[in-house]
Amino acid sequence: QKEVEQNSGPLSVPEGAIASLNCTYSDRVSQSFFWYRQYSGKSPELIMSIYSNGDKEDGRFTAQLNKASQYVSLLIRDSQPSDSATYLCAVNAAYDYKLSFGAGTTVTVRA
Amino acid sequence: DAGVIQSPRHEVTEMGQEVTLRCKPISGHDYLFWYRQTMMRGLELLIYFNNNVPIDDSGMPEDRFSAKMPNASFSTLKIQPSEPRDSAVYFCASSSGVWDRQHTDTQYFGPGTRLTVL
Repeated sequence: QKEVEQNSGPLSVPEGAIASLNCTYSDRVSQSFFWYRQYSGKSPELIMSIYSNGDKEDGRFTAQLNKASQYVSLLIRDSQPSDSATYLCAVNAAYDYKLSFGAGTTVTVRA
Repeated sequence: DAGVIQSPRHEVTEMGQEVTLRCKPISGHDYLFWYRQTMMRGLELLIYFNNNVPIDDSGMPEDRFSAKMPNASFSTLKIQPSEPRDSAVYFCASSSGVWDRQHTDTQYFGPGTRLTVL
């Protein structure tokens, strides 16, 4: 399986600030990239996916992909206490249904 | 749709006992995945099925683990005999298998089964 590394946490940010999460991957054939959010005691939930280099925005979330650097990030703008969760980065190769997950970064938003 | 359904939600058993975890995927989804999540190893793919056929079981830790999918709406993951190191949260996920414009096929996770082996 492909190796996926995430920046170690936990990450603590004040309410209203930007939370920045990073993920690198080792397999150059990786093609699709995903960010899952997992609340404590709950199952992972997809919040963003990205395929093309550049930025993809969805509400307060922005995913950034740089395939040359094998790097994908997630920005959470105007962080809210409800964003406090563990964020999992996942990757797969083209038309490969297997996902490889990173260890996750735990984010805590301080009110 | 009710989403992916797993049972039981919690299972406590003693070492050496057989454990069977159950999963009902989202109706119409052709792919079913079994994952295990622990603090030490994170979220690991154990096995996945396409149209009830096992495609890749390279993540199954050892012969004590087996998985079946007798029909499109039901799958089991069995551990026999169970050991304390099998304690983890086991997730089932399903996907349609249809790639969207973003070249993604979203996997939807069930609530998980928390297994404790004493």
